[in-house]
Amino acid sequence: GEQVEQLPSSLIVQEGASVLINCSYTDSASVYFPWYKQEPGKRLQFIIDIRSNMERKQNQRLTLLFDKKTKHLSLHITATQPGDSAIYFCSASTGDTNTGKLTFGDGTVLTVKP
Amino acid sequence: DTTVKQNPRYKLARVGKPVNLICSQTMNHDTMYWYQKKPNQAPKLLLFYYDKILNREADTFEKFQSSRPNNSFCSLYIGSAGLEYSAMYLCASSRARGQDTQYFGPGTRLLVL
Repeated sequence: GEQVEQLPSSLIVQEGASVLINCSYTDSASVYFPWYKQEPGKRLQFIIDIRSNMERKQNQRLTLLFDKKTKHLSLHITATQPGDSAIYFCSASTGDTNTGKLTFGDGTVLTVKP
Repeated sequence: DTTVKQNPRYKLARVGKPVNLICSQTMNHDTMYWYQKKPNQAPKLLLFYYDKILNREADTFEKFQSSRPNNSFCSLYIGSAGLEYSAMYLCASSRARGQDTQYFGPGTRLLVL
């Protein structure tokens, strides 16, 4: 089945810095890639997604890049703020209407120091 | 309102005893999911309902049961809890299946002793 790997597992940056979170997957049938974040004590929250017919998607300070050939995604966060401190999860779905199954990575713990 | 609710938020269970967790949503979503999450690990899908049809993952097929008496509610049932069941259990819902945003509940933290 699908496997999703995220790197790094954690990173600490100073407020204002940019960060890059990398994600790779194994199943070439995966077509939909939502990302979620979990702030301390809060629920998992959808932040951005991309489909396999796209290469790039931006939502304010978030930019998601997708390379179908290498089965690789990267989430770029600019001008980080302490409120961005959270665990970020990459996920992949085959988009099969019979399953809707998401396979998650283990997460990247981001700490933004003021 | 995009809120998914879970009860209880914390559950202490004894080894060998049953556990029943509840999830509800008022968004009229067709699909409801249950995930298990352990510390520093990815959320792992256990099962999901699309409308009244239950789909269980092959490796958890015999460990977890579920029911969905109506569109809004979904339960997760463990017949005989073992120590390995200690985890956070996350419920999520989505409007449809496949490529659709899943909305998560706050989770139920289960501790089995």
